[in-house]
Amino acid sequence: LAKTTQPISMDSYEGQEVNITCSHNNIATNDYITWYQQFPSQGPRFIIQGYKTKVTNEVASLFIPADRKSSTLSLPRVSLSDTAVYYCLVGRTSSGGSYIPTFGRGTSLIVHP
Amino acid sequence: NAGVTQTPKFQVLKTGQSMTLQCAQDMNHEYMSWYRQDPGMGLRLIHYSVGAGITDQGEVPNGYNVSRSTTEDFPLRLLSAAPSQTSVYFCASSFTSGGINSPLHFGNGTRLTVT
Repeated sequence: LAKTTQPISMDSYEGQEVNITCSHNNIATNDYITWYQQFPSQGPRFIIQGYKTKVTNEVASLFIPADRKSSTLSLPRVSLSDTAVYYCLVGRTSSGGSYIPTFGRGTSLIVHP
Repeated sequence: NAGVTQTPKFQVLKTGQSMTLQCAQDMNHEYMSWYRQDPGMGLRLIHYSVGAGITDQGEVPNGYNVSRSTTEDFPLRLLSAAPSQTSVYFCASSFTSGGINSPLHFGNGTRLTVT
């Protein structure tokens, strides 16, 4: 079971770049790293997924070093609407060999005016 | 395309009562799952299903039953509600259990209070 560790909370200001780092020392060779975002009173929604190096989409970038023991979600120029909880997931294998997503406590990001 | 639909949105039960939380998806997803979310605890996996007729336990299955008779529906049953089951419940689905290129799609949750 690849356990993840993230900061419990972070604060930022509008217009700044925010980097949230997730540690996953026991990541398995075939595991992917996936990030979700959750706004209050809503279910989480997918942000980005990667295996190694760098992945970028219209919402965020994901940086994964060569040893894959950590990953960093980067949110460019945050706004108040980026205030949310961010979850880092690494796959685990059930008895049937499927990838079963397991969420930790996530990182609560608060963006200030 | 409604995505993942959960009903009801809110529910109050008395200790010992039973109820079923409904979850339906219209995306032809094979994988469906239930999570509960408590303050400061993140999301914890209750049960999951990798296809019709197949279910398995997650991290916190005690007190809950599930079945998957169709691809679309994955109801969660509380046979005898307890105050410890007061929580927000989320249903999620994906093509292949949220893995590579198959992110989870979540419903908007059911807020359950057991008194």
